[in-house]
Amino acid sequence: EVHLVESGGGLVQPGGCLRLSCAASGFTFSDYYMDWVRQAPGKRPEWVGRARDRANSHTTEYAASVKGRFTVSRDDSKNSLYLQMNSLKTEDTAVYYCARSSRDSSGHYNFDNWGQGTLVTVSS
Amino acid sequence: DIQMTQSPSSLSASVGDRVTITCRASQGITNYLAWFQQKPGRAPKCLIFAASSLKSEVPSKFSGSGSGTDFTLTINNLQPEDVATYYCQHYDTYPPTFGGGTKLEIK
Repeated sequence: EVHLVESGGGLVQPGGCLRLSCAASGFTFSDYYMDWVRQAPGKRPEWVGRARDRANSHTTEYAASVKGRFTVSRDDSKNSLYLQMNSLKTEDTAVYYCARSSRDSSGHYNFDNWGQGTLVTVSS
Repeated sequence: DIQMTQSPSSLSASVGDRVTITCRASQGITNYLAWFQQKPGRAPKCLIFAASSLKSEVPSKFSGSGSGTDFTLTINNLQPEDVATYYCQHYDTYPPTFGGGTKLEIK
């Protein structure tokens, strides 16, 4: 069974930094693309960033709203995904979810399993 | 970015009803569309991918259709456990984006 557990959320002041972690189990972590998706209270989910699999050299993609401030990384030896968040803004307040992405028959990737999320609150 | 528009934003139906939720993309996305169910305080759960493929272990009462820009999610034999917010999401290009959600309630 796929299991994703996020940690590291909390209260941080504007301009501060935070590092989220996602521990994965139940599948071969290195074979999958992994994503971070966030959801502000009462809002729709918003994709944050992606780390591709080992076959694609762990290359990354980011949403425009976080590019240059957030960094997605992974350690396949630890079955873990990370999100380093710098220069945090109040609008970054959200529940942050780790999601596994699976390749469908067309070669596109969709979010097929999600963790339970960790809350990040940016406030003074 | 591709904009995803869902309708209705909220829906109230009776137990046993069939309900349909629609999703429109601002440009063609072939069939690169997923549907998610989110219950209060929980993470979204994938129901359907590739517009019409049912994720394993998801009940067959859920079905999806459409291609290009217009898509639908149908829920047959509505039950109290189906109360949730439903989101569509495209994954054709970066960034993947979500619809605004449809909040489904029981009358």
